[in-house]
Amino acid sequence: DGGITQSPKYLFRKEGQNVTLSCEQNLNHDAMYWYRQDPGQGLRLIYYSQIVNDFQKGDIAEGYSVSREKKESFPLTVTSAQKNPTAFYLCASSRLAGPYNEQFFGPGTRLTVL
Amino acid sequence: GQQLNQSPQSMFIQEGEDVSMNCTSSSIFNTWLWYKQDPGEGPVLLIALYKAGELTSNGRLTAQFGITRKDSFLNISASIPSDVGIYFCGYGGSQGNLIFGKGTKLSVKP
Repeated sequence: DGGITQSPKYLFRKEGQNVTLSCEQNLNHDAMYWYRQDPGQGLRLIYYSQIVNDFQKGDIAEGYSVSREKKESFPLTVTSAQKNPTAFYLCASSRLAGPYNEQFFGPGTRLTVL
Repeated sequence: GQQLNQSPQSMFIQEGEDVSMNCTSSSIFNTWLWYKQDPGEGPVLLIALYKAGELTSNGRLTAQFGITRKDSFLNISASIPSDVGIYFCGYGGSQGNLIFGKGTKLSVKP
C-alpha cells in the first residue's frame, strides 16, 4: 500500500540529547514537509523539501535540522538547541505538479522530553 | 501571515444532528482544504476546493468555497459517533506548505 510512515510512534528524550524522527513515503512525491503540532494549535511548518538534496526553513526551524538524501526519506533531527521540543510531529508529502497543496500526512511521532 | 479564523473552537454533537463549521480570512485565497484529525493520528484530507463558489460533497460532508474567496464552510449531515475529532481548514502557502486554522473539535454530547 502507498503511504507515509513515521517512526517511532512515541519517543522519549532526556534534556540535552539530539533525537531523529524518521519519515518515509512510497508515493513517489517530490515534496516533503515537517510540521509541529501543540495542543489546541494548528500545524506549524518546520522544514520542507521540494527536491533531493535541497530543503528550506519553515516558520519555526530553529533547533531543528533535516536532510533529504533520498526522494523517499526526510528525517528530522530535534537538537538540544530546541528549547521546548515536547510536541506531536507530523510529516507530509505532496506532488509538485497539479494541486500540490493536497498533502498526505503520516501518523505522527509524539516526542516527550523528560 | 494571513489571519485564518476557524469557528467554533469546539462543539458537541448528538448522533443524527447536522454540524456546521467555517473558516474566514482577511485575505483572498485560491485554495481551501478541509482535513480531519483523529486523536493521536495525522490529518486526513476530506475535501479540496479550488474555485470561488464551488460546492463539493464527499458522502455526508459538504464544503463550499465562498464567493468572496475569503471564507469556506464545512457541513456534516446526520452525524455519527466516528465523526468526532478535530477538523482543520487550511490554504496553500507560497512555499507549497499548508497553513491551518486552529481547528474545530467535535465531541459527543454526554
